[in-house]
Amino acid sequence: AQTVTQSQPEMSVQEAETVTLSCTYDTSESDYYLFWYKQPPSRQMILVIRQEAYKQQNATENRFSVNFQKAAKSFSLKISDSQLGDAAMYFCAYSGRGATNKLIFGTGTLLAVQP
Amino acid sequence: GAVVSQHPSRVICKSGTSVKIECRSLDFQATTMFWYRQFPKQSLMLMATSNEGSKATYEQGVEKDKFLINHASLTLSTLTVTSAHPEDSSFYICSAQTLLMNTEAFFGQGTRLTVV
Repeated sequence: AQTVTQSQPEMSVQEAETVTLSCTYDTSESDYYLFWYKQPPSRQMILVIRQEAYKQQNATENRFSVNFQKAAKSFSLKISDSQLGDAAMYFCAYSGRGATNKLIFGTGTLLAVQP
Repeated sequence: GAVVSQHPSRVICKSGTSVKIECRSLDFQATTMFWYRQFPKQSLMLMATSNEGSKATYEQGVEKDKFLINHASLTLSTLTVTSAHPEDSSFYICSAQTLLMNTEAFFGQGTRLTVV
């Protein structure tokens, strides 16, 4: 069975600084998707970034980028130029490539942004 | 982008009664919908997967008779919590997928259920 592990329950970063959130996963599949979701206090789940396992290039979305290490099964999220609005719970998630792709979530990292 | 609407956003019910939560895809046909439960400060736990027109597939440990899921159309799935008890109080979230974009899940706003 696939598992997703986030070892940092809480993180803090100064506004305008950079922070990296860690995620490791375990799977026997060779092709899959990895995601980072943001859950602000409203609790609406927001997709931050997606990585396809067969792509070697790390995904980027504006201030958000990932470091995808397939052999190490590591998928970290880097947030550059942190903003107050980035404060939220961040979940790492895994999905297979089947017709029905259920998401398997990590335990989450609560990110605080200090002004 | 694709929009999923979940209703109600909050509900309080008495112990022993049933509560229905709706999840609608507003601008796309959702071939698959997922129901999650989230306890305070915890992660999302998948409860069940439902495909339009067929029975839901429940995750291990989830009571099928307690949490009834119906996916009668391509735009609507419902979760009914039957004979609710205080321990059923939680935050419930649905997400929807379409075959055309099955790499991405679109989430509803969630429902906070409180059983008193």
